[in-house]
Amino acid sequence: DGGITQSPKYLFRKEGQNVTLSCEQNLNHDAMYWYRQDPGQGLRLIYYSQIVNDFQKGDIAEGYSVSREKKESFPLTVTSAQKNPTAFYLCASSIVGVRNTEAFFGQGTRLTVV
Amino acid sequence: AQSVTQLGSHVSVSEGALVLLRCNYSSSVPPYLFWYVQYPNQGLQLLLKYTTGATLVKGINGFEAEFKKSETSFHLTKPSAHMSDAAEYFCAVMDSSYKLIFGSGTRLLVRP
Repeated sequence: DGGITQSPKYLFRKEGQNVTLSCEQNLNHDAMYWYRQDPGQGLRLIYYSQIVNDFQKGDIAEGYSVSREKKESFPLTVTSAQKNPTAFYLCASSIVGVRNTEAFFGQGTRLTVV
Repeated sequence: AQSVTQLGSHVSVSEGALVLLRCNYSSSVPPYLFWYVQYPNQGLQLLLKYTTGATLVKGINGFEAEFKKSETSFHLTKPSAHMSDAAEYFCAVMDSSYKLIFGSGTRLLVRP
């Protein structure tokens, strides 16, 4: 079945550690996105990529990094510079260049700082 | 720049009552609008989308939304709420760079 897989579902980080969230898709989509979700704030865009080896900052990129070495994969690293990383992280993908097409979402990763 | 505003962070209805979730958009170009639903600790699932053409859009699970250009609105409705409709609902607009811009969400509570 085609879809987006995020792993792990739950992740715990100690202060000062970097952690990497995985996102893989087999939908053959060119565009991939990372969103952060906090209660009452909706979804805020962290990074997005519309082609392999290229990505752009979203609204809240500070303290995060990404790579796009393969079309299927778009991992997100939460660095120690992110001061408040506890949140629900969602990965999505979509077709590029077509505005009437929706984004498809993974099941999310809940990151907690301990 | 495109944006959406969802009025009401929480909406509570009785089972069987009308559901109305409000969304207003701002867009300098013809908008492409979406409603998503999120169940606890899960990802987002598309309910429906407006592109062009018919202003009344039907989606899954009995939901529909009406695009009103004069009011810059895209409100979500369902004639009769079911307990299983309890979830968080997000309105979104596709911007000119093909990114989805989301509203802050509305949590729907359904009372038995």
